[in-house]
Amino acid sequence: AQKVTQAQTEISVVEKEDVTLDCVYETRDTTYYLFWYKQPPSGELVFLIRRNSFDEQNEISGRYSWNFQKSTSSFNFTITASQVVDSAVYFCALRGYTGGFKTIFGAGTRLFVKA
Amino acid sequence: SAVISQKPSRDICQRGTSLTIQCQVDSQVTMMFWYRQQPGQSLTLIATANQGSEATYESGFVIDKFPISRPNLTFSTLTVSNMSPEDSSIYLCSVERTGGADEQFFGPGTRLTVL
Repeated sequence: AQKVTQAQTEISVVEKEDVTLDCVYETRDTTYYLFWYKQPPSGELVFLIRRNSFDEQNEISGRYSWNFQKSTSSFNFTITASQVVDSAVYFCALRGYTGGFKTIFGAGTRLFVKA
Repeated sequence: SAVISQKPSRDICQRGTSLTIQCQVDSQVTMMFWYRQQPGQSLTLIATANQGSEATYESGFVIDKFPISRPNLTFSTLTVSNMSPEDSSIYLCSVERTGGADEQFFGPGTRLTVL
């Protein structure tokens, strides 16, 4: 079975703090894909990143960075110097061949960034 | 990316009635999906809309309750039939271009309230 766990339900930080959102996944597939999406208060889901299982290189995009570690089945997301506009729900997701190549979403982490 | 529009954006319906939600994409896509997001919850896949054939439903969702059409590669509809207050949710259309491992894009959602 495939599963995505985001253990942090809500996180509250003050602007300019760094924050890490955790994501742990389970899959028996050797080839799979991991994603992060952002859902701001407006409700529309925004794609942030895709990572395949063969690429463990960390990625940085501006203030965002992602740490993929197959050894611990984790794909964590860090926001550096957080801003109020980062306030949103963030979803980690997994897609693998088991179960018909469908995307499984975690429960989401709600991030509050206070000014 | 793909630009996805949904109609209606929101509706308030009476118990026992049906509502059809439309999803239009600005370009041809291979995969179209329908998700439900209940208040404060994650995304749950209802079904995959297949062009020219019956949709593929996930466990817990049936065609009689959620009939889906997909007449071409840019358009799909989801009907929520015989509605009850438990159907109050956001319904999201999602697309993936190639049927492979690309990221999914999401429509703005239809916020449904059933009285």
